[in-house]
Amino acid sequence: NAGVTQTPKFRVLKTGQSMTLLCAQDMNHEYMYWYRQDPGMGLRLIHYSVGEGTTAKGEVPDGYNVSRLKKQNFLLGLESAAPSQTSVYFCASSYSGRNTEAFFGQGTRLTVV
Amino acid sequence: AQSVSQHNHHVILSEAASLELGCNYSYGGTVNLFWYVQYPGQHLQLLLKYFSGDPLVKGIKGFEAEFIKSKFSFNLRKPSVQWSDTAEYFCAVNAGLTGGGNKLTFGTGTQLKVEL
Repeated sequence: NAGVTQTPKFRVLKTGQSMTLLCAQDMNHEYMYWYRQDPGMGLRLIHYSVGEGTTAKGEVPDGYNVSRLKKQNFLLGLESAAPSQTSVYFCASSYSGRNTEAFFGQGTRLTVV
Repeated sequence: AQSVSQHNHHVILSEAASLELGCNYSYGGTVNLFWYVQYPGQHLQLLLKYFSGDPLVKGIKGFEAEFIKSKFSFNLRKPSVQWSDTAEYFCAVNAGLTGGGNKLTFGTGTQLKVEL
């Protein structure tokens, strides 16, 4: 069972380039999330979705866009990458909003030069 | 806004030593509490969780945590650590999102190194 799968695992971008990170889950979860992990800062929520066709902003949404066209997929887009977006990105999903745990993907290490 | 504090940023222990990692949160309502572990180069894995009931919860690999509501704390413990416990540990709180969802607020993490 795959759980939460992220692609790609590694990527190097030049400043100003765009890219899309894909997250796929096979657990039929309603809720999906994108976090970024930076040293000494823990994980911070970028955007989240509470169901197919819905998205909402988290703590650090600037510079990112998301889409949830299918229940199992949650895409994170960077329209014009900046060095400040160098980070490790984690996708997560959960069955519901409360009294449930979140399952995380393996992460995408993104470097913007 | 909810916040989570982990006071120990780096901990070095010898094998068989006991471990206690502190976690305090700030939120006045009902919370779900979690400890996640991240082994080098891997994703986050759930160690244990507290939703309600017995405030002493047991997780995988011999870890346990105690929820003390009056102290807003959820400290992680293990009686005897192993070299394989070397990892980064994150405490997280879920107080819910407007309209639903499971917004986990994470602490900054504690890097644990266990020496042979």
